[in-house]
Amino acid sequence: GIQVEQSPPDLILQEGANSTLRCNFSDSVNNLQWFHQNPWGQLINLFYIPSGTKQNGRLSATTVATERYSLLYISSSQTTDSGVYFCAVVSGTSYGKLTFGQGTILTVHP
Amino acid sequence: DAEITQSPRHKITETGRQVTLACHQTWNHNNMFWYRQDLGHGLRLIHYSYGVQDTNKGEVSDGYSVSRSNTEDLPLTLESAASSQTSVYFCASSEGGDTQYFGPGTRLTVL
Repeated sequence: GIQVEQSPPDLILQEGANSTLRCNFSDSVNNLQWFHQNPWGQLINLFYIPSGTKQNGRLSATTVATERYSLLYISSSQTTDSGVYFCAVVSGTSYGKLTFGQGTILTVHP
Repeated sequence: DAEITQSPRHKITETGRQVTLACHQTWNHNNMFWYRQDLGHGLRLIHYSYGVQDTNKGEVSDGYSVSRSNTEDLPLTLESAASSQTSVYFCASSEGGDTQYFGPGTRLTVL
């Protein structure tokens, strides 16, 4: 099945810093989503982005499907951005079924 | 607003007991999914359904079953709970290949 690798595994920032999280995948995808899992365990949808670029406030994401990677940008980070960021994909043969990466643990210090 | 809910949110049970976790969505989505989340493994697919009366096994289906009698609900049953099934369980739904929405999760402890 498709492999999803996220980097870095851990990231520690000071409030106000910018960061880039990366997601590499091993096969073509029909769907790619970024999630934020907050300290209470809730999975929050950030982006549905199988290709192209999207922005939502301080967050933006870019997926280059032909090169099999996606990037999540966080600008002017805040302590509330702390948590785990997951990339998840649906490959061409796995209709609707998400395969998750291992996540990036982000800690933002005040 | 449409939503997806799970119950109970927390459950403690004993080895060998049957346990059912509920999932209810008001999105009217055809696709529903169950995942478990464990340290070191991320989220892994247990079972999924593409519509009423349709169920399919995922990556880690042993010891679990589901049934889909209507669009809104996909209950997950642990036939005989084992300590290895201590985990956080997430239900999700989607329409076609679009965005998948997740419930709040159920934390299950098997003693």
